[in-house]
Amino acid sequence: DAGITQSPRHKVTETGTPVTLRCHQTENHRYMYWYRQDPGHGLRLIHYSYGVKDTDKGEVSDGYSVSRSKTEDFLLTLESATSSQTSVYFCAIKGQNTEAFFGQGTRLTVV
Amino acid sequence: AQSVTQLGSHVSVSEGALVLLRCNYSSSVPPYLFWYVQYPNQGLQLLLKYTSAATLVKGINGFEAEFKKSETSFHLTKPSAHMSDAAEYFCAVTKTSYDKVIFGPGTSLSVIP
Repeated sequence: DAGITQSPRHKVTETGTPVTLRCHQTENHRYMYWYRQDPGHGLRLIHYSYGVKDTDKGEVSDGYSVSRSKTEDFLLTLESATSSQTSVYFCAIKGQNTEAFFGQGTRLTVV
Repeated sequence: AQSVTQLGSHVSVSEGALVLLRCNYSSSVPPYLFWYVQYPNQGLQLLLKYTSAATLVKGINGFEAEFKKSETSFHLTKPSAHMSDAAEYFCAVTKTSYDKVIFGPGTSLSVIP
């Protein structure tokens, strides 16, 4: 299995609080992605990174920010969590000529 | 912009029957195409990928897919369904080997004994 670790795996938080999800890789892959998965929508891209400190927005980036200060870590932050951000969040990594490898997911519930 | 459509959010087949899951893509350039499978409460696992080599691609667990440029399709098939094939299946596309990967909405496959 590709070395990807997401933390935490489960989190319950209150509306209006900030939340940070972490994705850590041991594969030294250049590209990292954050997706959210919701019924009927598949996986939607939130943000992605193509290198340290190089990030870009995906299709559903509103309310989210990311940071990548090291190759191995990609952080997703919900500045002020809302109930619409209750979802399962997946991190993925990708090399230059490889497919995307996925983490096990983080189930986030905003109450 | 790239996009992926998967016809049928839910497909049911009998055990031993043919599995056919449909995927159509839109891309301005010849794409890279993928099928992923997701079992309950797990991440996504690659089934197979098309990277402009052979148009018929064989993957794991007996699955295969055929790239048809004229139809902009990449349908997934398996000759004989097993109970263990019940899962969610996602088709995905990317323009280049280093571009972002865009996913379809997924198809949930049920296998009836």
